[in-house]
Amino acid sequence: GAVVSQHPSRVICKSGTSVKIECRSLDFQATTMFWYRQFPKKSLMLMATSNEGSKATYEQGVEKDKFLINHASLTLSTLTVTSAHPEDSSFYICSAISRQETQYFGPGTRLLVL
Amino acid sequence: AQSVAQPEDQVNVAEGNPLTVKCTYSVSGNPYLFWYVQYPNRGLQFLLKYITGDNLVKGSYGFEAEFNKSQTSFHLKKPSALVSDSALYFCAVSLNAGKSTFGDGTTLTVKP
Repeated sequence: GAVVSQHPSRVICKSGTSVKIECRSLDFQATTMFWYRQFPKKSLMLMATSNEGSKATYEQGVEKDKFLINHASLTLSTLTVTSAHPEDSSFYICSAISRQETQYFGPGTRLLVL
Repeated sequence: AQSVAQPEDQVNVAEGNPLTVKCTYSVSGNPYLFWYVQYPNRGLQFLLKYITGDNLVKGSYGFEAEFNKSQTSFHLKKPSALVSDSALYFCAVSLNAGKSTFGDGTTLTVKP
């Protein structure tokens, strides 16, 4: 099946710093990617829809200035958590839509803000 | 608005027995339905999907799901469970290939 990668898989940072997470579709082009946040033993919360070549669409309650999304190419979207705080600690997962209309997920990035 | 309900937080079965993980949905229009599995500290893995066609959909690792329009259900099934099937399972619905709504997840535990 299609492969989506995320980098890094795990990151620990100090409060106030910014962290960039990359999401790549390795063997297909994706005009649309999604960014999710998942709390322990909870479902996925959609944060934003990342559209190649245009601005991301954020879900209600998600701060666009805090969670910067850039979809620079058909295979890469990045999420930057700016001025991270401990409450931003979470598991962040991206996904990409294939031409077969199936959503494939990355392996996730565990963020811990100290 | 679309929604998904997974009524069971936890499902326990013995190895070799059949398993069912329930999912019901609500959407205004023809649904795209998906099942995903998540292992600890990992992303979601695609298991199967229903878009159109046969109501019985076969997917990865021997799993299958049946689309029932009248009951608005899409239950996940497997004839013979394995210990390695133990994981967190998510049902999802969308109106197209875009934004999906996920259920709260069901933890499946298969005991030897």
